[in-house]
Amino acid sequence: GENVEQHPSTLSVQEGDSAVIKCTYSDSASNYFPWYKQELGKGPQLIIDIRSNVGEKKDQRIAVTLNKTAKHFSLHITETQPEDSAVYFCAGSSSNTGKLIFGQGTTLQVKP
Amino acid sequence: SAVISQKPSRDICQRGTSLTIQCQVDSQVTMMFWYRQQPGQSLTLIATANQGSEATYESGFVIDKFPISRPNLTFSTLTVSNMSPEDSSIYLCSVDRGFTEAFFGQGTRLTVV
Repeated sequence: GENVEQHPSTLSVQEGDSAVIKCTYSDSASNYFPWYKQELGKGPQLIIDIRSNVGEKKDQRIAVTLNKTAKHFSLHITETQPEDSAVYFCAGSSSNTGKLIFGQGTTLQVKP
Repeated sequence: SAVISQKPSRDICQRGTSLTIQCQVDSQVTMMFWYRQQPGQSLTLIATANQGSEATYESGFVIDKFPISRPNLTFSTLTVSNMSPEDSSIYLCSVDRGFTEAFFGQGTRLTVV
């Protein structure tokens, strides 16, 4: 079955800098890759996702890139703000099942 | 996006008892899932809640421990049975609208004492 690895486990950046979180997946049948932000005491919030038919997607300060050949995808946050501090999870899914397999999570700290 | 309501939001339960968690969605959805998030950990899929039939469980999860109902396309329940402290986790309901986007409720924070 699918296995998703996420790195780094913790990431600390200065406000205004960029943050990059990387994930790799094992199942070539996976074709949907969402990213979630989880703040303390809350459920995961979908912030951006990408499907295997595109290589990059951007939404304001957030972008995701996908390399199907290498089976890895990355989250890029530019001009980071303290409000971006949270735990970020990547996930992979096959549209045949809808089941999400999650990475281990990255705790992002943005220092003012 | 889908609006997902989970009840209760949190509970403290005695070991050996059972708790039923409800998940209500504001519109019909194709697929509903239940996940567990143990303290400080990532999310693990428990089962897929199938409308009108028995749930499909992932490896390591069984129906006797986590019975699931899904009577219609907007509602599901997860019961955590015969609880022990190891069941203390956040339990999350997720929906997928026809393989387009996957959304989560706020979760139920369960503490077993």
